[in-house]
Amino acid sequence: QSALTQPPSASGSPGQSVTISCTGTSSDVGGYNYVSWYQQHPGKAPKLMIYEVTKRPSGVPDRFSGSKSGNTASLTVSGLQAEDEADYYCNSYAGNNNVVFGGGTKLTVL
Amino acid sequence: QVQLVQSGAEVKKPGASVKVSCKASGYTFTSYYMHWVRQAPGQGLEWMGLINPSGGGTGYAQKFQGRVTMTRDTSTSTVYMELSSLRSEDTAVYYCARDLTGKRGYLDSWGQGTLVTVSS
Repeated sequence: QSALTQPPSASGSPGQSVTISCTGTSSDVGGYNYVSWYQQHPGKAPKLMIYEVTKRPSGVPDRFSGSKSGNTASLTVSGLQAEDEADYYCNSYAGNNNVVFGGGTKLTVL
Repeated sequence: QVQLVQSGAEVKKPGASVKVSCKASGYTFTSYYMHWVRQAPGQGLEWMGLINPSGGGTGYAQKFQGRVTMTRDTSTSTVYMELSSLRSEDTAVYYCARDLTGKRGYLDSWGQGTLVTVSS
C-alpha cells in the first residue's frame, strides 16, 4: 500500500485561504468516502480536524473544511491564523482493514 | 473524558522485541477499534495496524506483517503492540489512537506517544 501524495509545503498570509491536496487511487481515496485530516504541532500528538471527507469534530473551527473529487481529497483552511501553522496529514481507508496516510504537508503562515 | 495512556520510553538493541501498552479510560473499551501509528524522527505518520478490542481481531499493514502483534486485555482496558526483529529504522514515536467510527481510520483520541530507540 503506497502512501497518499501530499505537497511537502504550503503557505499563506494571515486571513488568506490555503488548500492542501491529498492524492490516492481508486483503491483508497477514490473508492471510499473515508478520508480524514490531522493537524500536528511540533512535539505533540496529531489532532483530528476532518473526518468522512467533510465532517468536523466538535471544537474544530469552521475555518477548516474538506472536500473530495475522484482520487483527490482536499483540506481548505480559511482565514489563516498564526496558530494554524503546523503539519497536516490526510489518511484514507483502503479496504481489507487497511488505512494509509499521506506524507504530510508543512503549512507556514507568512 | 477519553484518555489513552501509553507506557514509557524504551531503548532496545537490534534484533530485540519491544512491547508498548496503551491503557484506555473514559469510554467503553470494547466499543471502539484501536490503531497503532508510528512517526520516525522528522518523518511523517505511518499506519501500522488495528485491533478490535471486542473480539481481538486484527489487521496489519503489509510492511509489518510477520513482525507486529497487537493484543488486548479487556480486564484492564489495555491494548498492546509488540514489534519484533527491531532494526535502527524502527526508531520512532509509537502512538495508539482510538477510531471514532468503526475501522475507517478516524482517529479522534491519541495516546501521548512512546519513544522507542533501537541502537547497539
